[in-house]
Amino acid sequence: EAQVTQNPRYLITVTGKKLTVTCSQNMNHEYMSWYRQDPGLGLRQIYYSMNVEVTDKGDVPEGYKVSRKEKRNFPLILESPSPNQTSLYFCASSLRSTGNQPQHFGDGTRLSIL
Amino acid sequence: AQSVSQHNHHVILSEAASLELGCNYSYGGTVNLFWYVQYPGQHLQLLLKYFSGDPLVKGIKGFEAEFIKSKFSFNLRKPSVQWSDTAEYFCAVTLSGNTGKLIFGQGTTLQVKP
Repeated sequence: EAQVTQNPRYLITVTGKKLTVTCSQNMNHEYMSWYRQDPGLGLRQIYYSMNVEVTDKGDVPEGYKVSRKEKRNFPLILESPSPNQTSLYFCASSLRSTGNQPQHFGDGTRLSIL
Repeated sequence: AQSVSQHNHHVILSEAASLELGCNYSYGGTVNLFWYVQYPGQHLQLLLKYFSGDPLVKGIKGFEAEFIKSKFSFNLRKPSVQWSDTAEYFCAVTLSGNTGKLIFGQGTTLQVKP
């Protein structure tokens, strides 16, 4: 089954404790992206990757890092989480980055930073 | 900056009522348009998309949307809603030739009363 898998689904942690949210897709997609969803703001892009070893900032990259060492994986790293990063996070992928490819979303990761 | 506006933040309808959710975008060039639905506790799913051609597009579950270029609009419609349509609906655009970034509206919460 074609899917985007995120882990963990839920995490409560404390300020400053490094964490990683994993994202994996099994569709051989070139393009992957991370979004955060906040009430009243919709989804905003954090980082994206057009292919292996190619990553770039989205609209709200501060406090986040990503890597794309393999095509299927695109982890999101919070080196020193802060309470304003409490949010619902979605990973997404699409075949290519041309803009006319629908993106497939993971089930989401709800992060609470205390 | 490019943006997407959804005018209705919270809509309450009775079953069998007709639905129209507004979406406007601000960008003068070529866009790709999407509507996504997020059922409670689930990930975003693609309802329908418009890239080119017939401006009236049909999606899944009886939804349709009409692209009106002169009004920069892409409104979502359904003639008769069901209780199972209760969800949050997001309009989104990508800019042709851009990074594939989805620019989302703020979302509209639809509540259908049985």
